Amino acid sequence: GAVVSQHPSRVICKSGTSVKIECRSLDFQATTMFWYRQFPKKSLMLMATSNEGSKATYEQGVEKDKFLINHASLTLSTLTVTSAHPEDSSFYICSAAGTGGHSYEQYFGPGTRLTVT
Amino acid sequence: GDSVTQMEGPVTLSEEACLTINCTYTATGYPSLFWYVQYPGEGLQLLLKATKADDKGSNKGFEATYRKETTSFHLEKGSVQVSDSAVYFCALNSGNQFYFGTGTSLTVIP
Repeated sequence: GAVVSQHPSRVICKSGTSVKIECRSLDFQATTMFWYRQFPKKSLMLMATSNEGSKATYEQGVEKDKFLINHASLTLSTLTVTSAHPEDSSFYICSAAGTGGHSYEQYFGPGTRLTVT
Repeated sequence: GDSVTQMEGPVTLSEEACLTINCTYTATGYPSLFWYVQYPGEGLQLLLKATKADDKGSNKGFEATYRKETTSFHLEKGSVQVSDSAVYFCALNSGNQFYFGTGTSLTVIP
């Protein structure tokens, strides 16, 4: 089946620094990738949708200047949390949708646990 | 707008008990429906799916039937195991956008 990886799996950073999280589709091309944020014991909140080669579409309430998304290729999307603060600590999950066939399916990465101290 | 409502947990069951986690949806058009499972510290894994009315998705002993008349997609398993302990999310896909329920935590005790 389709595999999506995320790197790093865990990261601890100091307040004020920036952190980049990578999301890769390993065995298929993903025209669309999604970034979610999950709070403890809560559901997934869609942050943004990114299409390869174009600007990401952010959900209401998500600061695009704080959460920078780049989808430079059909297999890689990155989320950069700029000037991180403790309230940005969360579990970030990406998913990727294929280019054809079962494009309605999303394949999820394993998630990245971000802790800002 | 489109949305998913699922049974709140947590749910605690003894091993070999029957499981039902309710899920209902609101959608325009004809969405695809999914159940995802999240084990502790991990991302989401697709458990099963159904793409049209009356379809039954099944995997690892879990089943769910897409009921258009009741707008439901309840997850069922006849005999749960300790290894089924996880959080289960109901989701729908409409226009390439996913909508997730709030998740139901299941703990199975020996």
